[in-house]
Amino acid sequence: AQSVTQPDIHITVSEGASLELRCNYSYGATPYLFWYVQSPGQGLQLLLKYFSGDTLVQGIKGFEAEFKRSQSSFNLRKPSVHWSDAAEYFCAVGAGSYGQNFVFGPGTRLSVLP
Amino acid sequence: KAGVTQTPRYLIKTRGQQVTLSCSPISGHRSVSWYQQTPGQGLQFLFEYFSETQRNKGNFPGRFSGRQFSNSRSEMNVSTLELGDSALYLCASSVEKRGETQYFGPGTRLLVL
Repeated sequence: AQSVTQPDIHITVSEGASLELRCNYSYGATPYLFWYVQSPGQGLQLLLKYFSGDTLVQGIKGFEAEFKRSQSSFNLRKPSVHWSDAAEYFCAVGAGSYGQNFVFGPGTRLSVLP
Repeated sequence: KAGVTQTPRYLIKTRGQQVTLSCSPISGHRSVSWYQQTPGQGLQFLFEYFSETQRNKGNFPGRFSGRQFSNSRSEMNVSTLELGDSALYLCASSVEKRGETQYFGPGTRLLVL
């Protein structure tokens, strides 16, 4: 069965520091991978996705992620974190017959220190 | 383009009641998926509709049901509410191509007392 793990439940970084959020997936076929961000009381906003091709994917708000098939990973990175990046981050894999059954990881809550 | 809209945004119900939540997808999107988000279980897939047909279903009891109308709008219904049904219910829409992005609405927060 498909699964997504995010080993870090909560991460705290200082503003201006770099960030890496980890994501590992288990999926039999070529995965469609996504990172979403959720602010308190809000829905999910897409940061970036991997569909095929270049394994380094650029997203919004200065985020990027690298797909590593050999490690079954899709880690999210940002070189310099801003206070407004504090939120919950979810990694997901598109599963099911039509790829519309998203399996989400448990999420990583990011806190940013001034 | 307007985003995914969900109504109502907040609901309070009591055990045993039933509830209907509504979702209007982005114009042109024909696939609508529903998710339940709770602190304990995280984000879990409920079901997906495309062209008024349920294509995928998650592992939820039959009390959870849904439907989709010809204009792609979708509703989900929960009957005989239980305390554990308290959650944020998220709707997402997408075009029907495999691997396409799902765009999420703001959610309906349901509290069961």
